[in-house]
Amino acid sequence: GEEVAQTPKHLVRGEGQKAKLYCAPIKGHSYVFWYQQVLKNEFKFLISFQNENVFDETGMPKERFSAKCLPNSPCSLEIQATKLEDSAVYFCASSQYRGNQPQHFGDGTRLSIL
Amino acid sequence: GNSVTQMEGPVTLSEEAFLTINCTYTATGYPSLFWYVQYPGEGLQLLLKATKADDKGSNKGFEATYRKETTSFHLEKGSVQVSDSAVYFCALIPQGGSEKLVFGKGTKLTVNP
Repeated sequence: GEEVAQTPKHLVRGEGQKAKLYCAPIKGHSYVFWYQQVLKNEFKFLISFQNENVFDETGMPKERFSAKCLPNSPCSLEIQATKLEDSAVYFCASSQYRGNQPQHFGDGTRLSIL
Repeated sequence: GNSVTQMEGPVTLSEEAFLTINCTYTATGYPSLFWYVQYPGEGLQLLLKATKADDKGSNKGFEATYRKETTSFHLEKGSVQVSDSAVYFCALIPQGGSEKLVFGKGTKLTVNP
């Protein structure tokens, strides 16, 4: 498609439960990025993919967070054993090439941990 | 490390006023610079970009010039509208890096009729 599609728009989980978020990048885009937007608008980079390969995972809290981009499937971000501090809006973005290309963002998934 | 500093908000203006949102950066080499806008309840939209020194990005009446000597990328608009009310983010992608965006903390703009 022509837009980055993220689902669901809003996800509510109890503390300790699992949360799984999905992202369909723009067709033809090779790079996918996940960002976390916490209180006061701060963005934190989590992970990026080049096609199905992890490109940069320096921002991932590896103990509970995992992500995949498999062929012919939406990319996913999964959080095991969620904590209150995981409450945030998670944005996915995609870009066509390397070389500082603009990233196109989805509308985000708001994750609320109760 | 790489970082972006933008002016603290919120900024409140009357319609047709002049807008400046300051943005400075720290990065080695020549990063690419971006302004993104986030309307309430929505994702980020690319507003404009500049990829080399002295480049001017422009879109929808907004402009920003890549100033290497002052490491700045200030956003300007000559006459704001109520519909420009949003949060504006300055961001960079480091040269030769992992392509991840490094964001400033955002500046909330409210334009009153």
